[in-house]
Amino acid sequence: LAKTTQPISMDSYEGQEVNITCSHNNIATNDYITWYQQFPSQGPRFIIQGYKTKVTNEVASLFIPADRKSSTLSLPRVSLSDTAVYYCLVGPSAQGGKLIFGQGTELSVKP
Amino acid sequence: ETGVTQSPTHLIKTRGQQVTLRCSSQSGHNTVSWYQQALGQGPQFIFQYYREEENGRGNFPPRFSGLQFPNYSSELNVNALELDDSALYLCASSSTTGIPYNEQFFGPGTRLTVL
Repeated sequence: LAKTTQPISMDSYEGQEVNITCSHNNIATNDYITWYQQFPSQGPRFIIQGYKTKVTNEVASLFIPADRKSSTLSLPRVSLSDTAVYYCLVGPSAQGGKLIFGQGTELSVKP
Repeated sequence: ETGVTQSPTHLIKTRGQQVTLRCSSQSGHNTVSWYQQALGQGPQFIFQYYREEENGRGNFPPRFSGLQFPNYSSELNVNALELDDSALYLCASSSTTGIPYNEQFFGPGTRLTVL
């Protein structure tokens, strides 16, 4: 499974847009890119998933360039409640398959 | 629709003991996966159950075992507990149909402390 690299931590302020980039140079043709969010003492929560180009939902946007070797999670106008760890995962499309989590990016949103 | 539930929420055991953790999957989900999350680390895949059979396993020794029941609930059993087994144990359920792929619904976890 493709290994991912993302920043260990990021700081932001309320109301700003936050972009977290994930590198996955060895992504395979049938791999999808998925982002999860985890608050302290809770299980991770699915945010968004994409294969190529741009995906947007009510929570975030995911930008994937043509070579798919990286992806960027964009959180518009963050609030204090967006303080969490964000994980970038890359894996095959098999439904419910094994998820490989890295260390994630700890996002801290300040007032 | 109820989400994934896990019991107990916290547990303290001593080295060498055995422990059983329980998980009820989300309604309509037939696949259950278990993860171990050490402090400050991402979750690590232990194994997955589909239709009561183990369907994939991570790099964990045989003393980690599991069961899935006909109602798709699941148990994680750990024998001969070691200090390094102290972690948050997460259960996640998913369905084999639908999109998006790889969307798993996690429970709140069981915090296991081994003394």
